[in-house]
Formats: sequence, C-alpha cells, structure tokens
Amino acid sequence: DGGITQSPKYLFRKEGQNVTLSCEQNLNHDAMYWYRQDPGQGLRLIYYSQIVNDFQKGDIAEGYSVSREKKESFPLTVTSAQKNPTAFYLCASSGGSPYNEQFFGPGTRLTVL
Amino acid sequence: AQSVTQLGSHVSVSEGALVLLRCNYSSSVPPYLFWYVQYPNQGLQLLLKYTTGATLVKGINGFEAEFKKSETSFHLTKPSAHMSDAAEYFCAVTPSGGYNKLIFGAGTRLAVHP
Repeated sequence: DGGITQSPKYLFRKEGQNVTLSCEQNLNHDAMYWYRQDPGQGLRLIYYSQIVNDFQKGDIAEGYSVSREKKESFPLTVTSAQKNPTAFYLCASSGGSPYNEQFFGPGTRLTVL
Repeated sequence: AQSVTQLGSHVSVSEGALVLLRCNYSSSVPPYLFWYVQYPNQGLQLLLKYTTGATLVKGINGFEAEFKKSETSFHLTKPSAHMSDAAEYFCAVTPSGGYNKLIFGAGTRLAVHP
C-alpha cells in the first residue's frame, strides 16, 4: 500500500534534548512538508522540500531543522532551541497531481516533560 | 497573498440534520480549493477538491462543496449528519499553476449529538 508513515506515534522527551521525528513516503512524491498543530491554531508550516537536497523554511522554522537526503525521507529534528515543542506534528507529501493536493501521515504527538 | 477564513471554530448539529461548514478564501489568481477531515489523533484525509470545471464537487462520505467565485466561498455541506462525521474539518487553498504551498484555514470542529 502506498502512503506516508510517521514514527513513533507518541514521543516523550526531557526538556533540553533534541529529538528527531521520522517521515517516510512511498508515493514517489517530489515535495514533502512538516506541519505543527496546536489546539485551535490549525496547521502551521515548519519546513518544506520540493526536491532532494533542497528545503525551505516555512512560517515557524525557528528551533527546528530538517534534511532531505532521499526522496522518500524527510526527518524533522526538534532542537532544544524550540521554546514550546509539545505539539502534534504532521508530515505530508505532494507531487502526483498538478493540483498540489497533499497527503498526510498519521502524525506524531511529542510531549516534552 | 492567499488566505482562508473558516467561519465558526465549533459547529454542533443533531444527527440527521444538515451540516454546513463555511469557508471563504482570497486569491489573486484562480484557486484550487480543498476540504480535509481530521479524526482525533490522526492525520488529515482529503474529502474533496475543486480544480476546474463543475463548481459543485462531490466528495467522500456524502459531503459536497460548491465553488462560488462571486462570493469567494467554498462551503462544505452534507444533507444528513451522522455520528461518525464528528471531526475537525479544514479548508485549504492554493493558486493554480506551478508549484505552490497549501494555505489552510484554522479549522472547524463538528460535533454531532443524538
């Protein structure tokens, strides 16, 4: 089955630790995205990548970093510089359609203690 | 710049009643429009999309939406709500032509009560 996987589903970390969230897709999509979701705030774009080895900052990139070494993978690192990292993180991809529709993974809920 | 406004962060309906979730957008060029649904602790699932052609678009689970250019609206409707429709719904817009990011509305949480 084609789709997007995110792991783990739930993640707990101590304050001050970096943590990396995984996102893998087998849809052969060129573009991938990371969003942060907080209650009542909708989706906010963190980073996106249109092609391998290239990525751009979204609206709230501070305290986050990404890499895009393979087409299938777009991991997100939440660094200790992110002041309020507890949130639900969603990964998405697009590219199979000219209409830019995005397909989403199941999300990772990060809780920083 | 593109933007999306969803009127009403929370909507509550009775089972069997009409569902109407409102979405207005701004776009300087013809837009592509989308509705997504999110169930608790899950990712977003595409309900339907408008690209070109027929302005009334049918999606999954009995939902439909109508693109009204003159009103810059793309409201989502379902004739008869079911308990399983309780979820959060997001409207999104992207300009047509070339690569562009999706711009999401803030979301509307739909509650369905017996």
